[in-house]
Amino acid sequence: DTGVSQDPRHKITKRGQNVTFRCDPISEHNRLYWYRQTLGQGPEFLTYFQNEAQLEKSRLLSDRFSAERPKGSFSTLEIQRTEQGDSAMYLCASSRPGGERLNNEQFFGPGTRLTVL
Amino acid sequence: LAKTTQPISMDSYEGQEVNITCSHNNIATNDYITWYQQFPSQGPRFIIQGYKTKVTNEVASLFIPADRKSSTLSLPRVSLSDTAVYYCLVFNAGNMLTFGGGTRLMVKP
Repeated sequence: DTGVSQDPRHKITKRGQNVTFRCDPISEHNRLYWYRQTLGQGPEFLTYFQNEAQLEKSRLLSDRFSAERPKGSFSTLEIQRTEQGDSAMYLCASSRPGGERLNNEQFFGPGTRLTVL
Repeated sequence: LAKTTQPISMDSYEGQEVNITCSHNNIATNDYITWYQQFPSQGPRFIIQGYKTKVTNEVASLFIPADRKSSTLSLPRVSLSDTAVYYCLVFNAGNMLTFGGGTRLMVKP
């Protein structure tokens, strides 16, 4: 399977603990995105990488959140000192490079469902 | 960013054609219209994208009038497996997709 993969699929943690999620994009895709989705809502953009450079971050990404993509391949999203409000599905997507006017189709992974107790 | 408005939910029956209309009154010249589909416990999946007039692929058709202030996703002869949430997005040269609440389509037997 050459789709976007995410690990773990589910994570249950206690408030105050740190968690880290991993995303492996489609191999030839140089763009990688993180989204958060709560129940009944659409996904909300968190951050975006082109290769290893983090080019955009949403205001939703508080100081407790950090994302990396050290070699321009896989990415990690860490949440420090988790809070109950962090409970959500965390989605990763990747896309190919493209021109300014081109909306490159984003391929989403299955997500990591985080539950903070 | 252009805001989109679409119905919260729709019901249909197997074999019918379903049309979901999305309003985007403040769409900009450089904006494209994109539709994604999402099944429970899965990430969204790209369906179709267009700029103006009509676009058709193996899954759906997208109708965009000349003023581009709305668009209609058309799903021909839906089946039970088309039950999902459908998101209309307006996208420009930036890379951030802004999802709204989507339309929950329920296909009944």
